[in-house]
Amino acid sequence: NAGVTQTPKFQVLKTGQSMTLQCAQDMNHNSMYWYRQDPGMGLRLIYYSASEGTTDKGEVPNGYNVSRLNKREFSLRLESAAPSQTSVYFCASSEGGGGQPQHFGDGTRLSIL
Amino acid sequence: TQLLEQSPQFLSIQEGENLTVYCNSSSVFSSLQWYRQEPGEGPVLLVTVVTGGEVKKLKRLTFQFGDARKDSSLHITAAQPGDTGLYLCAGVSSASKIIFGSGTRLSIRP
Repeated sequence: NAGVTQTPKFQVLKTGQSMTLQCAQDMNHNSMYWYRQDPGMGLRLIYYSASEGTTDKGEVPNGYNVSRLNKREFSLRLESAAPSQTSVYFCASSEGGGGQPQHFGDGTRLSIL
Repeated sequence: TQLLEQSPQFLSIQEGENLTVYCNSSSVFSSLQWYRQEPGEGPVLLVTVVTGGEVKKLKRLTFQFGDARKDSSLHITAAQPGDTGLYLCAGVSSASKIIFGSGTRLSIRP
């Protein structure tokens, strides 16, 4: 079972470049999430999508945009990358919202030079 | 802002020893989840506790939710190298938002 698939696994960007992180889930889950994980700071929610067609800001949305392309796919875009966005990015999904357990992808390790 | 503090931040012990890690908050949660994350992978759910005072066991791991639903603990008996990883607690607020703690990084020496 694939679960949650993230691409790419690694990426190096220069300051000011743009890129899109892709995420797809095959569990027919309604809710999807994007987090960033930095040393000593746990997981911080960037954006989430409670259901297809809706997106909402999380704790740290500045500098990011998202698109819920369909029920399976939820992408995260950095329009103008900054060194402060160097992090490991995780996509997750859950059957519903309401604090239901989340299933995570293996992450995208992003470095901004 | 609800915060979840985990302690210790780092723990390195010998195989066979017992350990307890803690997850504390000043806020009440409707439920609390524990995840384990291994290097290069995403977090994986271990257990969810819902009722104040609830105790759940998963082989050598024992999870407890505080009576007031503000804290939780994870106790590992006879730790094994396979228990190595980052342990994250996540509280679910009354508004159904999930808040993650910063984690306890556990290393078990053979």
